[in-house]
Amino acid sequence: KNEVEQSPQNLTAQEGEFITINCSYSVGISALHWLQQHPGGGIVSLFMLSSGKKKHGRLIATINIQEKHSSLHITASHPRDSAVYICAVSLRRGGADGLTFGKGTHLIIQP
Amino acid sequence: KAGVTQTPRYLIKTRGQQVTLSCSPISGHRSVSWYQQTPGQGLQFLFEYFSETQRNKGNFPGRFSGRQFSNSRSEMNVSTLELGDSALYLCASSSTLDGYTFGSGTRLTVV
Repeated sequence: KNEVEQSPQNLTAQEGEFITINCSYSVGISALHWLQQHPGGGIVSLFMLSSGKKKHGRLIATINIQEKHSSLHITASHPRDSAVYICAVSLRRGGADGLTFGKGTHLIIQP
Repeated sequence: KAGVTQTPRYLIKTRGQQVTLSCSPISGHRSVSWYQQTPGQGLQFLFEYFSETQRNKGNFPGRFSGRQFSNSRSEMNVSTLELGDSALYLCASSSTLDGYTFGSGTRLTVV
């Protein structure tokens, strides 16, 4: 069993829809990260969370430490949001273990 | 500030050869971590360096090695290349304040 599980694996939605991607983890973590990867490979860090909720533009990320669960929400989705969204965790403070990744959610937003 | 720079962007090597990839982190970041991404295994942690010391290594054979220099620049080396080493290799620099910033990656093809 993977230490980081994401759902759904694939998601196709219409422009303007509210999107939710879920992430569950089974180990103790120091932080959870939401990453975005576009075709071509480049990875952008969207959020780093250790508690609560963060918002950046149309993106919202929440984490529940007790339930070991995080969600990434996209409001008013747009075709440019089409990408792979990856949940990753830092196991140890200071990053000595690097990141452990989920398998990603492939999101397609149709116009 | 300048991002994480990885060189080269693309590389084609023959089985049995060795390869060295380079990563220049964001100025002030002392932690550099390396990752391998393949379609089958997704993103996997290779190793992490902090102040020229390898603090942790993922589950990869000894053919994969790395080092970090006093200016925090890092290199990774893969010796005796195998077809299965074909992948996108990503490095990231990090700090506890800024989180992770990824380079654009080196796409290695072994023929």
